[in-house]
Amino acid sequence: GAGVSQSPSNKVTEKGKDVELRCDPISGHTALYWYRQSLGQGLEFLIYFQGNSAPDKSGLPSDRFSAERTGGSVSTLTIQRTQQEDSAVYLCASSFPEKIYNEQFFGPGTRLTVL
Amino acid sequence: SQQGEEDPQALSIQEGENATMNCSYKTSINNLQWYRQNSGRGLVHLILIRSNEREKHSGRLRVTLDTSKKSSSLLITASRAADTASYFCATVQISNFGNEKLTFGTGTRLTIIP
Repeated sequence: GAGVSQSPSNKVTEKGKDVELRCDPISGHTALYWYRQSLGQGLEFLIYFQGNSAPDKSGLPSDRFSAERTGGSVSTLTIQRTQQEDSAVYLCASSFPEKIYNEQFFGPGTRLTVL
Repeated sequence: SQQGEEDPQALSIQEGENATMNCSYKTSINNLQWYRQNSGRGLVHLILIRSNEREKHSGRLRVTLDTSKKSSSLLITASRAADTASYFCATVQISNFGNEKLTFGTGTRLTIIP
């Protein structure tokens, strides 16, 4: 079946511009996660959605970052007034938390480059 | 913050040899998972070991967990060129918000030399 998809795969933007990154989770997966991976680093948790609500936003690095999820499906991560330090690969994952010890299924990521 | 620390950071071995990667962590966990990442993009789940398990096998993969030492190891036997990738451990805890929170280490870059 279809996996997690993300778009765009690559995004180059100028400092100060806003960007939107999209994630389409696996159908039926109620949990959705956003992570950020800087070059050569591990994954940094950003935000968790259960359905359309985001009970855990603790990883968002600043108020320039926001995310929403609609219809319990598609999620959009928005970065306002981008900075060069926002350059990273942004990964989305979904899971079916009703299953104990569930695994997270990752999308291919969006590589964001801020010039 | 990163909880898991993988060791070594990079590993190069000949095809056919075994590769061992280690992961250390700091706080108590529900379970620990290993993921593989090719070319800096999406991660693929490899194996999960629960906190009450000590060893688990899946194909050519063997994972151990020592909760007293807060460490885990991933062994890939009879390595193949296709195993070249970055490998991450992820410790799993239930957050205050009720979600299963994965905290990833910095990864081991494995290169298999044909």
